[in-house]
Amino acid sequence: GQNIDQPTEMTATEGAIVQINCTYQTSGFNGLFWYQQHAGEAPTFLSYNVLDGLEEKGRFSSFLSRSKGYSYLLLKELQMKDSASYLCAPLDSNYQLIWGAGTKLIIKP
Amino acid sequence: GAVVSQHPSWVICKSGTSVKIECRSLDFQATTMFWYRQFPKQSLMLMATSNEGSKATYEQGVEKDKFLINHASLTLSTLTVTSAHPEDSSFYICSAPRGSGGRSSYEQYFGPGTRLTVT
Repeated sequence: GQNIDQPTEMTATEGAIVQINCTYQTSGFNGLFWYQQHAGEAPTFLSYNVLDGLEEKGRFSSFLSRSKGYSYLLLKELQMKDSASYLCAPLDSNYQLIWGAGTKLIIKP
Repeated sequence: GAVVSQHPSWVICKSGTSVKIECRSLDFQATTMFWYRQFPKQSLMLMATSNEGSKATYEQGVEKDKFLINHASLTLSTLTVTSAHPEDSSFYICSAPRGSGGRSSYEQYFGPGTRLTVT
């Protein structure tokens, strides 16, 4: 079957760094997306990885290891507005996004 | 960037009535749109894939007669929840691929969502 595993909730301090891990099992693999979703709002695109390695985009970076079925999202210089859920979503062999429940990130002053 | 709109943003209706939700791509054409439902603290659940000019493809367990999808043009897809019941209360979100071919066909732009409450 297809499965996404992310921590349910994480807490971090404003200005700090946090890493949100995601492990996945899918039928085939065509890349992995990270989305941010604020409460009561639709998801917004953060990053896409299809090759192994780290992709950096401003304060956010995303890493992928295809052999390990593992990805992480790294958030630096945390701001209060980063409080949201972060969704890891791999693409399976049918190019369908597989959604997990996401990680709720709580930022404290 | 590309924008997807949804209307209405929220709606309250009585049990047994029908509700129509519109999803529009504002500055690009979308031959395919996706409809999701999300219950509190749960993941997005794909309900159906809306295809312009043809029938929608429904996911297993989603009643096609209850959730009517019409994709009449390259910029508009509608979801009608027929004979709504309280258990249909949820957050409904549509999305459309950014483009065609390669990565852009899988990166989705999401509408702002519609919160449906059935009393």
